[in-house]
Amino acid sequence: GAVVSQHPSRVICKSGTSVKIECRSLDFQATTMFWYRQFPKQSLMLMATSNEGSKATYEQGVEKDKFLINHASLTLSTLTVTSAHPEDSSFYICSAMGPNTEAFFGQGTRLTVV
Amino acid sequence: AQSVTQLGSHVSVSEGALVLLRCNYSSSVPPYLFWYVQYPNQGLQLLLKYTTGATLVKGINGFEAEFKKSETSFHLTKPSAHMSDAAEYFCAVSKAAGNKLTFGGGTRVLVKP
Repeated sequence: GAVVSQHPSRVICKSGTSVKIECRSLDFQATTMFWYRQFPKQSLMLMATSNEGSKATYEQGVEKDKFLINHASLTLSTLTVTSAHPEDSSFYICSAMGPNTEAFFGQGTRLTVV
Repeated sequence: AQSVTQLGSHVSVSEGALVLLRCNYSSSVPPYLFWYVQYPNQGLQLLLKYTTGATLVKGINGFEAEFKKSETSFHLTKPSAHMSDAAEYFCAVSKAAGNKLTFGGGTRVLVKP
C-alpha cells in the first residue's frame, strides 16, 4: 500500500518554543492531507484539512494561529505548533489522500512540551 | 453530522476465540465505513472498508465486517484471535471518497493466552 512518512516520531521541546512536524506521501500525490490529535486512550480528533495550494480548513475549536498548517506541495504538509505549552503535549497523526485513494496514515508524532 | 459509536472501550478475548467489535454509525447519506487498527505509538492501518456493493467485506489479517443498513451497524469480526491482534481498533465513517473521517472512540483488544 501507499506510504506516508511522518517525522519526527518523537519530540521534546521547551515551553514557548515552536515545533514543526512533517508529513510526506512517498509514492502518490496527496491532494488532501488531514491532521489529527490523539489524547491518551482516546480517539482521533480532526484538527484541520488541507488541500494542496490552499489554506487549511480548521475544525471548530482549533486555533489556526497556534497550529499552522502548510501544504505547499503534493507530497508534503507540515504542522507547526507555535509557542508550545504543556497542554499541547499529545500524539499528532497525519493522513494523506490522493484523488482516487483512501486515506493513508503516518506513524504519528509524540510531542512532549516541558 | 455523522457520528460513530463503538460499544465497549475494552474487549478481552482468549487466543483462538472469536473477536467481535461493535460499531454503529449515524449518517444522513449512504456511508463509507472503515475499520482501522492502531498499535502503540503508531499510526493507523486500514483493516477493511465498505463503500458500495457486497455488504460482507473481508480485510487483512483474517478480519471481516458486515454492513447492515437496517441496523446502522458495521461490526468487525475475526473467527480466531491471535496474540498479535492485541491493539486498538477504530471504526470510522465518511460521506464519500476523499471526505474526512469521523472516528469512533476506539476499542482496545486484549488477547489472553
